[in-house]
Amino acid sequence: QQQVKQSPQSLIVQKGGIPIINCAYENTAFDYFPWYQQFPGKGPALLIAIRPDVSEKKEGRFTISFNKSAKQFSLHIMDSQPGDSATYFCAASVYTGNQFYFGTGTSLTVIP
Amino acid sequence: GAVVSQHPSWVICKSGTSVKIECRSLDFQATTMFWYRQFPKQSLMLMATSNEGSKATYEQGVEKDKFLINHASLTLSTLTVTSAHPEDSSFYICSARPPGGGANGYTFGSGTRLTVV
Repeated sequence: QQQVKQSPQSLIVQKGGIPIINCAYENTAFDYFPWYQQFPGKGPALLIAIRPDVSEKKEGRFTISFNKSAKQFSLHIMDSQPGDSATYFCAASVYTGNQFYFGTGTSLTVIP
Repeated sequence: GAVVSQHPSWVICKSGTSVKIECRSLDFQATTMFWYRQFPKQSLMLMATSNEGSKATYEQGVEKDKFLINHASLTLSTLTVTSAHPEDSSFYICSARPPGGGANGYTFGSGTRLTVV
């Protein structure tokens, strides 16, 4: 059973656009929701993460919106750049635990 | 910040041979490390949890005799793919975190691309 569902599978936006990637989870025990960015042939790198005590977190051009009641969270990339072209994974875990549950990934292409 | 190093970054081997992949925590000690497998355009799937000084814990469906994990020191875990076959070709990634931290402390290695021919 997929613990974290992610959509869309792929996304193409123009430079300066605001791509939005959505994730939904089932397990209410999850209390840590990170987003990872992965370039081809590289391991995933932590981009931004949120805990359930806040509904939004912003770091630079990246914003996470979190809806605890709906068990959904999303990543917004402001003023997207071609260098943002990568695969983005959402994940969920228990903060004090070890196991991450990853979404299926979104391939983002930003066209110059 | 915490750094996890993987070696090699890519390897090509013949079918039937064994390949060893190393995962090192460079600036911290890790009693636990994690091994993931990623097929092209797919998500990361946890294969096993590597425990320093004890046996690894494998996820359901992962053959422990094919994917041997050794965590002999607090900074090194190895994954050996034994008698590799083309279907074992994949991207293998490890992760670890410094002790005492939360989930935000996890760092992933840069991955190892295994191609079995």
